[in-house]
Amino acid sequence: EADIYQTPRYLVIGTGKKITLECSQTMGHDKMYWYQQDPGMELHLIHYSYGVNSTEKGDLSSESTVSRIRTEHFPLTLESARPSHTSQYLCASTRVGDTRTEAFFGQGTRLTVV
Amino acid sequence: KNQVEQSPQSLIILEGKNCTLQCNYTVSPFSNLRWYKQDTGRGPVSLTIMTFSENTKSNGRYTATLDADTKQSSLHITASQLSDSASYICVVSDRGSTLGRLYFGRGTQLTVWP
Repeated sequence: EADIYQTPRYLVIGTGKKITLECSQTMGHDKMYWYQQDPGMELHLIHYSYGVNSTEKGDLSSESTVSRIRTEHFPLTLESARPSHTSQYLCASTRVGDTRTEAFFGQGTRLTVV
Repeated sequence: KNQVEQSPQSLIILEGKNCTLQCNYTVSPFSNLRWYKQDTGRGPVSLTIMTFSENTKSNGRYTATLDADTKQSSLHITASQLSDSASYICVVSDRGSTLGRLYFGRGTQLTVWP
């Protein structure tokens, strides 16, 4: 069982609210990722991190921001949620340097903005 | 452009039957290829991972093949069960950067009927 956790699993909030999606892993992985996935669609990379104090934007433009102050923690924040942010958000982590390393995914956070 | 294409988009089979899912990729330079199973509303779970030198890998009733020359992979599911109903995602990683980017296919939605 993968040791990567996301909270909350489900979140329904009103437009304009600030939210933070939590992602934590206990495997000591350096690389962490945030993906956005709409129903029936592929995963789109929105943020990634090589390690502490390293964050980069992914392929899909996102109004969210991330931080990486600790290796195990990679939270994603939306300053002002909008209905267009409604989606599933998946966090993942991998270990640097090993081509056989699995990418472990969290269970996801399903966000609905009303 | 690095891409991962999966076929078919969706598939319905009867319980107990076998099926094969296809994945073609253009990711270069290639590092590894993974197949994931994603149940509705959950994060992907790894089934197999193969590097350049491996051309087949089994995990129970799942057998993945890889032809690195033609850049094709397949996932064969034997004696399908109702619990196999899920989206199966092909993920290819490159080794052209320290990130080891993950490129996702759109997935094949498999439905197993009793």
